[in-house]
Amino acid sequence: QQQVKQSPQSLIVQKGGISIINCAYENTAFDYFPWYQQFPGKGPALLIAIRPDVSEKKEGRFTISFNKSAKQFSLHIMDSQPGDSATYFCAASKGLTGGGNKLTFGTGTQLKVEL
Amino acid sequence: DTAVSQTPKYLVTQMGNDKSIKCEQNLGHDTMYWYKQDSKKFLKIMFSYNNKELIINETVPNRFSPKSPDKAHLNLHINSLELGDSAVYFCASSSGLALNTEAFFGQGTRLTVV
Repeated sequence: QQQVKQSPQSLIVQKGGISIINCAYENTAFDYFPWYQQFPGKGPALLIAIRPDVSEKKEGRFTISFNKSAKQFSLHIMDSQPGDSATYFCAASKGLTGGGNKLTFGTGTQLKVEL
Repeated sequence: DTAVSQTPKYLVTQMGNDKSIKCEQNLGHDTMYWYKQDSKKFLKIMFSYNNKELIINETVPNRFSPKSPDKAHLNLHINSLELGDSAVYFCASSSGLALNTEAFFGQGTRLTVV
C-alpha cells in the first residue's frame, strides 16, 4: 500500500519554466512534509519542508503548496535551471515516541531541465 | 568534514556471503536510520535507532542485523546475501530532541549480489 503517491514519474521542462510535482497522502497522522532532491550517485538532501499548519512555504525558487483537506501537497520550482535536473522525492513523516521520525517517501520524479 | 559517511561506497559479492556496511555521523544526532533504495529508486526505511536503542524494524528479513555500538555509529550486517538484496543502502541521521527534524543522508552503498 503506497501511503504517499507522487506524480509525474518524469518531467521535462524548458529552462526558465515552472516545474510542478504533486503528492498525495493517506495517513492523517503525518505532520511533516519534506521534499528531498537526489543527484545521481548521491544521497537525498532536504530541499524544503512544510508542516500542516501552513498552506504555503517559499524558499528562493522553491515553493511548497499544502492542502490539508485534500491531503495533497506540491513542489513548484520557478525559473527552472539545468542544475535542477535531479530526482525529487516527496515524503511524509510522523514523529516517533522513541525519538526521531519515520519518513515515508513518494516514488520519485525525475526532472530534466533542457536549455 | 562529511556529516554522514558510509563505507564502502560499492560492494560486489556473491550469493550466500555475509557482508557489513558501516555508517558514522558527526552531527551529534541521537537518531540513525537505514533506508533501502531499490532499482526503481523507491526509498523505504529499514531500521531506526535512537541512542543505540532499536525504534523501528520494518519487517526486514532477520538476515539483516543492525548494530549501534554508540549513537554516532550504526552498522548493517547482512547474512546469506541473496540476489534480491541488490540495492543502494542509505544511512541517515536526525536529531532526536525534537520530533520531525531534517534527516541527513549518507552517499549510499551500492550493493550488487551476483
